[in-house]
Amino acid sequence: QEKVQQSPESLIVPEGAMSSLNCTFSNSASQSIWWYQQHPGKGPEALISIFSNGNKKEGRLTVYLNRASLHVSLHIRDSQPSDSAVYLCAVRRTGGYKVVFGSGTRLLVSP
Amino acid sequence: NAGVIQTPRHKVTGKGQEATLWCEPISGHSAVFWYRQTIVQGLEFLTYFRNQAPIDDSGMPKERFSAQMPNQSHSTLKIQSTQPQDSAVYLCASSQESQNTLYFGAGTRLSVL
Repeated sequence: QEKVQQSPESLIVPEGAMSSLNCTFSNSASQSIWWYQQHPGKGPEALISIFSNGNKKEGRLTVYLNRASLHVSLHIRDSQPSDSAVYLCAVRRTGGYKVVFGSGTRLLVSP
Repeated sequence: NAGVIQTPRHKVTGKGQEATLWCEPISGHSAVFWYRQTIVQGLEFLTYFRNQAPIDDSGMPKERFSAQMPNQSHSTLKIQSTQPQDSAVYLCASSQESQNTLYFGAGTRLSVL
């Protein structure tokens, strides 16, 4: 059974700062990794995905994947109060269909 | 595209009653998933359909939970004899293919009194 752990549990950053979230997974065969954002009362929404070692940038978001260390991180540049939400790391094994989620990091961006 | 639609948004049942939750996936998506979300356990996989066929129900409590997908436009999750520990947000998600990004509905919050 895949295990996904996220840190920190909660994070408070001032507006305009960089937010950095971490995720470790238990199996190197986890080839597909997503970060989801969830606002209160809403379902999770996919933000960015990465499928190969290295980094990927989309707008203010950058994700880094290191398969050797089973670690992926999400960095949000110029954080805004609207970025305040729970961020979920999700992994799926090669050829599989089941997506396993971490317990989330609660981000609060203070104005 | 209205996204994944789940109804009702909130449901309150008494202990021992039945609850039926509905999901309308995004048109054209072949994969439908049900998850349960609680503060303690986070997001837990319940069951998965592909092209309406049940593929994996390994996350479903066997005795009281059942899921069906009678046609490509809706799926139901039925919980018989609801218990307080069934209180959670039940989320439905769909994707174009099994390995693609999941699109979630807003969820149904079930409260069992």
